[in-house]
Amino acid sequence: GAGVSQTPSNKVTEKGKYVELRCDPISGHTALYWYRQSLGQGPEFLIYFQGTGAADDSGLPNDRFFAVRPEGSVSTLKIQRTERGDSAVYLCASSFSGGGGYGYTFGSGTRLTVV
Amino acid sequence: ELKVEQNPLFLSMQEGKNYTIYCNYSTTSDRLYWYRQDPGKSLESLFVLLSNGAVKQEGRLMASLDTKARLSTLHITAAVHDLSATYFCAVGSGGSNYKLTFGKGTLLTVNP
Repeated sequence: GAGVSQTPSNKVTEKGKYVELRCDPISGHTALYWYRQSLGQGPEFLIYFQGTGAADDSGLPNDRFFAVRPEGSVSTLKIQRTERGDSAVYLCASSFSGGGGYGYTFGSGTRLTVV
Repeated sequence: ELKVEQNPLFLSMQEGKNYTIYCNYSTTSDRLYWYRQDPGKSLESLFVLLSNGAVKQEGRLMASLDTKARLSTLHITAAVHDLSATYFCAVGSGGSNYKLTFGKGTLLTVNP
């Protein structure tokens, strides 16, 4: 597609529920990233995919968070037993390769609110 | 652990004036990115700086990178209201510099 697409754009969920956030990267971009941006802060790295595999998941805060990219294109970030502290904007980015030499394109994000 | 520090965090300036935003980082890297974010929107890529001494310009914005000093600057010339936004620098790290570490951002307000 023309850009990185994220759905839904907004998600309100109750504490303890499970949520899935979807990212559709730019066609042909092999690298995909998830970041989390809290209010008034810069984005923080969560996970990096090169193709289908998670090359670095060191930014995932705990085992409630999991992400997949089964066919090397669309990725889903899954959060179990959501907590109020999970409320943030979740940004997805993609790049032509893993080194970012051509820059990164970010999606519009999913604003997650846990009530 | 890589740390990225931007200053100032808040900048209010008048139209027509010049100013510089600074981005310092704590460990060696030759990948530095500048992004713009408008309220409620995602990140728009402004500049990709890939080597020591790199300088790029687009309109009223100019970015430079000094890898020896671990410093990047974003210079604003003759500011206009449309430049009001939050500006982030991000530094690449990891085996192929894939991981971005962002500064806290500089909220720029340009007043008429």
